[in-house]
Amino acid sequence: AQTVTQSQPEMSVQEAETVTLSCTYDTSESNYYLFWYKQPPSRQMILVIRQEAYKQQNATENRFSVNFQKAAKSFSLKISDSQLGDTAMYFCAFEGATNKLIFGTGTLLAVQP
Amino acid sequence: GAGVSQTPSNKVTEKGKYVELRCDPISGHTALYWYRQSLGQGPEFLIYFQGTGAADDSGLPNDRFFAVRPEGSVSTLKIQRTERGDSAVYLCASSLTSDRADTQYFGPGTRLTVL
Repeated sequence: AQTVTQSQPEMSVQEAETVTLSCTYDTSESNYYLFWYKQPPSRQMILVIRQEAYKQQNATENRFSVNFQKAAKSFSLKISDSQLGDTAMYFCAFEGATNKLIFGTGTLLAVQP
Repeated sequence: GAGVSQTPSNKVTEKGKYVELRCDPISGHTALYWYRQSLGQGPEFLIYFQGTGAADDSGLPNDRFFAVRPEGSVSTLKIQRTERGDSAVYLCASSLTSDRADTQYFGPGTRLTVL
């Protein structure tokens, strides 16, 4: 069975600084998708960035980028120029052949002014 | 509507009661998913529909939980004989198709509290 592990329950960063959130996963599949979702206090899960496993190039979306290491089964999220609005829970998720998302336990990110 | 909507936003009920939670997906999305998020945890898969049929209900915890999507749009999650352990946020998501290339978009969730 697939598992997703986020080993950082909480992180803090100063506004305008850079922070990296860690995620590891376990799977025997070779073709899958990985995601980072953001969940603010409003509860709505918002997609931040996605990566297709067969693509070697790391995905980038404006201030958000990933470091995808397929062999190590690692998928970290880097947030550059952190903003107060980035404060939220961040969930790493895996989607394999079954179409369902498997989430980690989340990292609570606090951006300090 | 522009996004996935869920009603009610919050539901408080007593142990043993029956509840229904509703999800309106994004117009035109054929795939619909239900997840449950307990306090301090990530969401856990319950069931997903492709059209009107349940394609995978392997995440439903027991036979007190049931979901329908009779016309391939709105879905209702039904919980019978609620227990305190059912208290959680129930999230709904939809995607254009069930193809993994299509992103799942989430609603704001329904917070269920069983007293």
